[in-house]
Amino acid sequence: GAVVSQHPSRVICKSGTSVKIECRSLDFQATTMFWYRQFPKQSLMLMATSNEGSKATYEQGVEKDKFLINHASLTLSTLTVTSAHPEDSSFYICSAREVNEQYFGPGTRLTVT
Amino acid sequence: DAKTTQPTSMDCAEGRAANLPCNHSTISGNEYVYWYRQIHSQGPQYIIHGLKNNETNEMASLIITEDRKSSTLILPHATLRDTAVYYCIVHIIQGAQKLVFGQGTRLTINP
Repeated sequence: GAVVSQHPSRVICKSGTSVKIECRSLDFQATTMFWYRQFPKQSLMLMATSNEGSKATYEQGVEKDKFLINHASLTLSTLTVTSAHPEDSSFYICSAREVNEQYFGPGTRLTVT
Repeated sequence: DAKTTQPTSMDCAEGRAANLPCNHSTISGNEYVYWYRQIHSQGPQYIIHGLKNNETNEMASLIITEDRKSSTLILPHATLRDTAVYYCIVHIIQGAQKLVFGQGTRLTINP
């Protein structure tokens, strides 16, 4: 099946700094990628839909200026958490759509100290 | 997308069939039923999907009732590695195509 990778798998950063997470579709091209966030013992919450070559569409309540999404190519989308704070500590998961299927990355655990 | 209702948790003995129910009484005619699972600290894994016919693959079987208001995911011979949270999602393949996750069922396979 199609493979989606994320980098890094874990990151620890200090409060106030920015962190970039990469999501790549390894063996297919994805015009659309999605970013989710998951807090402990909770379900995945969709943050935004990323379309190659255009601006991302954010879900209600997600701050677009804090969570910057760039989808510059058909195989790469990035999520930058700007001025991170401890409450941004979470498990961030991306997914990429190929035709009518959606494949998920392994996730990135962000810890803000 | 239609909402789904799943039991919060279930237990199953290793080697037995695990039957996970899902209610989706407001499903519309063009919405598919998808099942994903998430093993701890990993990304969700696709299991199976269907529209109205029963489906089977190497991982599981999906039984959809005739009125499509509910479905059951069947893991025929559960192993310890099947312990995970299972999500039932209904959504339209066309259009926005974003998957919206509910709370899922935490399935524990016991030795």
